[in-house]
Amino acid sequence: GAVVSQHPSRVICKSGTSVKIECRSLDFQATTMFWYRQFPKQSLMLMATSNEGSKATYEQGVEKDKFLINHASLTLSTLTVTSAHPEDSSFYICSARDGGSTYNSPLHFGNGTRLTVT
Amino acid sequence: QKEVEQNSGPLSVPEGAIASLNCTYSDRGSQSFFWYRQYSGKSPELIMSIYSNGDKEDGRFTAQLNKASQYVSLLIRDSQPSDSATYLCAPPDMRFGAGTRLTVKP
Repeated sequence: GAVVSQHPSRVICKSGTSVKIECRSLDFQATTMFWYRQFPKQSLMLMATSNEGSKATYEQGVEKDKFLINHASLTLSTLTVTSAHPEDSSFYICSARDGGSTYNSPLHFGNGTRLTVT
Repeated sequence: QKEVEQNSGPLSVPEGAIASLNCTYSDRGSQSFFWYRQYSGKSPELIMSIYSNGDKEDGRFTAQLNKASQYVSLLIRDSQPSDSATYLCAPPDMRFGAGTRLTVKP
């Protein structure tokens, strides 16, 4: 089956620093990748959608200069949280749609990254 | 903003009972729906995809889609304690509903 690998699984960083999260599709080419954030006891909130080779599309209210998304290849997308603050502490999850599938196909999720900003 | 609404939880059922989870959506153009299960602290995993009106059965799970009513549901038969999780529905644009937390009591 389609596997999405997300790294790191946990990260603790100091306030003001930047953190990069990687999302890789291991056995398929991911034309489109989705980044979500989830606070405790809340649902997944879509942050942005990225298409390989083009700029990400951010959801309303998500700061694109703070959450930098790069989707430079068909198997790798990265999310960089810049100048992180304690309120950015959350569970970040990436997902991908197989490039050979249609818009009406499900997503494959990574295992998530738990970010704690101290 | 296209929206997905899920029946408010939490939902608690005894072991062996049927759990019914519902979802309504605003985008009439949605051609498919997906049900995901999320255990606490984990990422979502796909349970069912449904693409056409009617029922789709997979083991103890049955998804129902009614495009005219813009309604999709998930029934879990013979519920087990291991089914205790949050269930999320999503249309193709992958903007999830709030989720319904299900607890199956032994």
